[in-house]
Amino acid sequence: DSGVTQTPKHLITATGQRVTLRCSPRSGDLSVYWYQQSLDQGLQFLIQYYNGEERAKGNILERFSAQQFPDLHSELNLSSLELGDSALYFCASSGDDGLYEQYFGPGTRLTVT
Amino acid sequence: AQSVAQPEDQVNVAEGNPLTVKCTYSVSGNPYLFWYVQYPNRGLQFLLKYITGDNLVKGSYGFEAEFNKSQTSFHLKKPSALVSDSALYFCAVRKGFQKLVFGTGTRLLVSP
Repeated sequence: DSGVTQTPKHLITATGQRVTLRCSPRSGDLSVYWYQQSLDQGLQFLIQYYNGEERAKGNILERFSAQQFPDLHSELNLSSLELGDSALYFCASSGDDGLYEQYFGPGTRLTVT
Repeated sequence: AQSVAQPEDQVNVAEGNPLTVKCTYSVSGNPYLFWYVQYPNRGLQFLLKYITGDNLVKGSYGFEAEFNKSQTSFHLKKPSALVSDSALYFCAVRKGFQKLVFGTGTRLLVSP
């Protein structure tokens, strides 16, 4: 168990809908990262927050947004969902601003029908 | 651009035999390299990292990795494979100060 929690584990929704994925980092970790894992794209970095501020952006679509709250948990919002958004979404955390290893949560499997 | 390549989609090895999962990297500057393992329906688990220092890095579950600067490689090794080692293995390199760039993954299958 990495200490990173993600809810929900599974999510099934329809095209055009909006969902929110939640992540709680390891105790004391200030950085939260979001990754998307799909069969065709592999593991892709989406976005990082450090102590409430956006720190880095990767291949994140404009329909997606994230935030980190004062208690350091983070939410990833996915809107206007398309079939191609079906994937595993991982949250990871680290204690620093990304210098060393990241610890991953169990993921949320999103299925868009 | 920082990137890693895992040339093998799958590696098959018999239990008790040594295993190697290959990774090559392409980075500008000093590489920060990582290995992660993913079991079915689970998140990625950190195995080991190379930041600086000894070229042989020891990690979790008996795994180790050898950093080779001249060959730009960071192969994952274990002297004696277990059936329970069967999983998906990812090599990654740190890009900038934040994100990890992952390889495509190598499926390790250890047969009894």
